[in-house]
Amino acid sequence: DMKVTQMPRYLIKRMGENVLLECGQDMSHETMYWYRQDPGLGLQLIYISYDVDSNSEGDIPKGYRVSRKKREHFSLILDSAKTNQTSVYFCASSLGAEQFFGPGTRLTVL
Amino acid sequence: AQSVTQPDARVTVSEGASLQLRCKYSYSGTPYLFWYVQYPRQGLQLLLKYYSGDPVVQGVNGFEAEFSKSNSSFHLRKASVHWSDSAVYFCVLSPQVVGQLTFGRGTRLQVYA
Repeated sequence: DMKVTQMPRYLIKRMGENVLLECGQDMSHETMYWYRQDPGLGLQLIYISYDVDSNSEGDIPKGYRVSRKKREHFSLILDSAKTNQTSVYFCASSLGAEQFFGPGTRLTVL
Repeated sequence: AQSVTQPDARVTVSEGASLQLRCKYSYSGTPYLFWYVQYPRQGLQLLLKYYSGDPVVQGVNGFEAEFSKSNSSFHLRKASVHWSDSAVYFCVLSPQVVGQLTFGRGTRLQVYA
């Protein structure tokens, strides 16, 4: 069963704390993505990873960094989280142009 | 630059009625196009995709979409909606290489009994 998983599903942090969001996929897809979704907007791309240690900025990379040390795992890191990073974060992996999405992580930064 | 416009933020229809959700795109070539659905508190799920060929593509749960190059559109249709179709629908564009998707802002569909 092809699947993208995300941990944790819900997270509350205080401003200035570090945040680690984790994503896994069991399809051996080379390309993975991190998005954020805010009310009334579509998904905005934060980072793309084309394979292990091959990452590129998306549209809104400021305040975020990523790590991909294994093909099946892709992490999103917020160093010193800000209140405007409160959002729902989605991870995806792709086979060709089609993307497969995880269930999302709802992050609240107080 | 590429873009996707979903002109209707909200659509409300009665159960059993037909449905059309509109999508217009801007792209210099012929893109790959997708419709995704998002149920509350869930990730996005693929409804259907268009790569080439027959402009009418069939998806899951009775959904279909029609690609029109002349109108730069990819409208989603369903002949008879069910209350469980209530969700947010996203029209998505991809260039014909692996890379960045462009999302519309989504259309929230409410089906009432």
